[in-house]
Amino acid sequence: DARVTQTPRHKVTEMGQEVTMRCQPILGHNTVFWYRQTMMQGLELLAYFRNRAPLDDSGMPKDRFSAEMPDATLATLKIQPSEPRDSAVYFCASGLAPGQETQYFGPGTRLLVL
Amino acid sequence: KQEVTQIPAALSVPEGENLVLNCSFTDSAIYNLQWFRQDPGKGLTSLLLIQSSQREQTSGRLNASLDKSSGRSTLYIAASQPGDSATYLCAVSGGGSEKLVFGKGTKLTVNP
Repeated sequence: DARVTQTPRHKVTEMGQEVTMRCQPILGHNTVFWYRQTMMQGLELLAYFRNRAPLDDSGMPKDRFSAEMPDATLATLKIQPSEPRDSAVYFCASGLAPGQETQYFGPGTRLLVL
Repeated sequence: KQEVTQIPAALSVPEGENLVLNCSFTDSAIYNLQWFRQDPGKGLTSLLLIQSSQREQTSGRLNASLDKSSGRSTLYIAASQPGDSATYLCAVSGGGSEKLVFGKGTKLTVNP
């Protein structure tokens, strides 16, 4: 049963600390998405990659967020320095180009920045 | 900029009732529209995907329709069950981009 996995599932940190979230997409999927979900804003796209290359990161605060795909089996989202307003659930999703099929979501990382 | 609205924000029904969830979008130039289900503390699960050339899709007790010209979609759930309780999200992609734009969801509670 192929699934998207995310680690950690929960993270509590203090303001100013670096946070790294990891995602393992479904094997064979060439597109990876990062989303953030909050009660106020709902689900927002932060960035996405195709064949490990970033295609769009316009949804991401550039000064503190960065997203990478070191290899086809790992995507990372980093926040440095973290702020309380970054508290949210961060989801990774993977899928196949050219966007005519659905995306498969991971269970999310619940982040709380104190 | 594409905007997706879901009404109502919350819905409570007795078990066995048929129900309709609504989704509207502002830009009709879409590639597809998808309905997802989200259980508390979990990720999203895709329920139905309707391509822009299609009018509806069915899966079991679920039926989703798409009217691009009016910018609307409905998700019909027949004979609702307590296990259907979840938040249902509508998302569209299009306007030259494969990015999904999500509504804020409808929280459904089916009471036994």
